[in-house]
Order: sequence, then structure tokens, then C-alpha cells
Amino acid sequence: NAGVMQNPRHLVRRRGQEARLRCSPMKGHSHVYWYRQLPEEGLKFMVYLQKENIIDESGMPKERFSAEFPKEGPSILRIQQVVRGDSAAYFCASSPVPGQKNQPQHFGDGTRLSIL
Amino acid sequence: DAKTTQPTSMDCAEGRAANLPCNHSTISGNEYVYWYRQIHSQGPQYIIHGLKNNETNEMASLIITEDRKSSTLILPHATLRDTAVYYCIAPGGATNKLIFGTGTLLAVQP
Repeated sequence: NAGVMQNPRHLVRRRGQEARLRCSPMKGHSHVYWYRQLPEEGLKFMVYLQKENIIDESGMPKERFSAEFPKEGPSILRIQQVVRGDSAAYFCASSPVPGQKNQPQHFGDGTRLSIL
Repeated sequence: DAKTTQPTSMDCAEGRAANLPCNHSTISGNEYVYWYRQIHSQGPQYIIHGLKNNETNEMASLIITEDRKSSTLILPHATLRDTAVYYCIAPGGATNKLIFGTGTLLAVQP
């Protein structure tokens, strides 16, 4: 029973390039959350999606960041024109039912993004 | 989300019970309390959650006070591998997004 799968585990980009981070939720989970952890800081919520819908993007930076969760395939977090400050660990979590209070989110191992 | 308050750090001897407190005095009646932990820089690991009854699973026990204003996570026999930052979270709203505070750094000593 595979857990939340994220890839790549490590990603190196030069300033100005694009970064694409992928997340496959646990089997049976149709809702995905993305969180970012800057060095030496706690995790911060970015966006919550269900299939083909963005439900809450209140934590997403206004520019360069976008997320999607298509009908088929993994959820993608896309960062355009990356800058040094985007260097962080990006974690994805999934849950089975939207917003249900007694369903915990389960996390992947994250993608460590490094910007040169 | 209800605000939660946890001690910054705690020590525990290996083999002893680790009791991690959390205050959530503003929690509303339908908000669950969730506990996660993060070992090194791994992804957060779900531990346990509860509403008002005490809960136990293979990892830990959760004791919630009758007024629900505080709770305690108990690791019955701490091991070195339990050294981690432990987060107490009471997510609210329809989306159930998790707001991570600074958590408690539990250091299990040999």
C-alpha cells in the first residue's frame, strides 16, 4: 500500500529556470495539499486541491507559483523563473475526503529544491 | 484554526515515557487535535488525533482534558528514534489545512 509519492527527491535549478514538482497521493485519496519548509523554519501551507479544482490557494505566492491536479496523473507544483529564495523542501500531503475532521493528512518525503 | 502552545523543547530518558503537553484553549467544539512529528527533515509523520475521548494506537496515547483546552501526547517507551519535533495542531475551517507552529523538540537521551 504505497504512501504519498513525491518526485524528484532532489532538484537543482539555476536562477530563471522552471521547477516542476510531482505528487501522487495515496491510493483512494483524491485531495492534495502542498506545504513549503524554508531552511530552519516550520512548514507553511501553500495550496489545497482536489481533482481538477483548486480549493484554497491562500498560501501560494502571488507570482511564479502554480499548482494543478488533473483528472489523470499526479499533482504538479510549478515554479517559474526560480530565485534563490525558492530553495526549500516542498511537501505534499493527501487525504481521502475533503475537509473531513477525522481524516488525517499523510505526507510524502518531500522534494528538496536547490537554486544555484 | 485554534492556536496551540507547546514547550519549545523537552528531554526524555530512553525507555521512559515521554509526555508532551499542548494547550489549545480556543479550540471549538468540532475541532480535532492532531499530532504529527518530523524527524530530521523528513516529511511529517501522522501520529494520532482525537476529539474529546482519549485515544491510543500503536505509536502513542492521546489524553484530552474534559474541557478540551489541553492535551498530552504520551510515548510510552521512548527510544532514540523518537527524537523529533512534535507538532500539536487543531485545524479548522472546511479545508482542514494544517498550520504548523514551532512544535516541541523532543530529545531522547541514552
